[in-house]
Amino acid sequence: AQSVTQPDIHITVSEGASLELRCNYSYGATPYLFWYVQSPGQGLQLLLKYFSGDTLVQGIKGFEAEFKRSQSSFNLRKPSVHWSDAAEYFCAVGDMEYGNKLVFGAGTILRVKS
Amino acid sequence: DAGVIQSPRHEVTEMGQEVTLRCKPISGHDYLFWYRQTMMRGLELLIYFNNNVPIDDSGMPEDRFSAKMPNASFSTLKIQPSEPRDSAVYFCASSLLSGRMTDTQYFGPGTRLTVL
Repeated sequence: AQSVTQPDIHITVSEGASLELRCNYSYGATPYLFWYVQSPGQGLQLLLKYFSGDTLVQGIKGFEAEFKRSQSSFNLRKPSVHWSDAAEYFCAVGDMEYGNKLVFGAGTILRVKS
Repeated sequence: DAGVIQSPRHEVTEMGQEVTLRCKPISGHDYLFWYRQTMMRGLELLIYFNNNVPIDDSGMPEDRFSAKMPNASFSTLKIQPSEPRDSAVYFCASSLLSGRMTDTQYFGPGTRLTVL
């Protein structure tokens, strides 16, 4: 069965600093990978997704992620963090074998200090 | 489009009462998902529908939980009787499957359920 691991429960970065959130997945076939963001009291919003093709994926709000098959990773990056980026970030893998099912990681809470 | 609509946004009830959560998916989407989010277990898929038909309900915790989708624009998640351990945020999401590709799931704002 597929699974997603986000090793960091909390990360704190200074405003303007770069950010990398880690995500590792376990999946037998070509994965469909997603990053979602959840602001306090809100639902989840899609940041970006990878289905195939270019392994560097650009998303909204200046985020990007790189798919590395050899490392089973899909890390999320941003070159310069803004205070408004403080939120919880979820990595997910989609399982086409079971239709449209997503399995989520536990999430990483990002704190931004000024 | 208004996005996925959930009601109520907050629900406080007493143990043993019936709770009904409602969801209106994005018009035209043919998949609907119910998730539960807790601190201990994170985001869990409870059940999902395709074209109003339940496809996978293996995530439904027990018989106290039931979900229906009587038409393409409405779904309910019912808990009867409710217990304090059901306290969580319940999300509804919808998506449109394009060919074989898993398309984006769009999430509603969630219903925060508190069972006293």
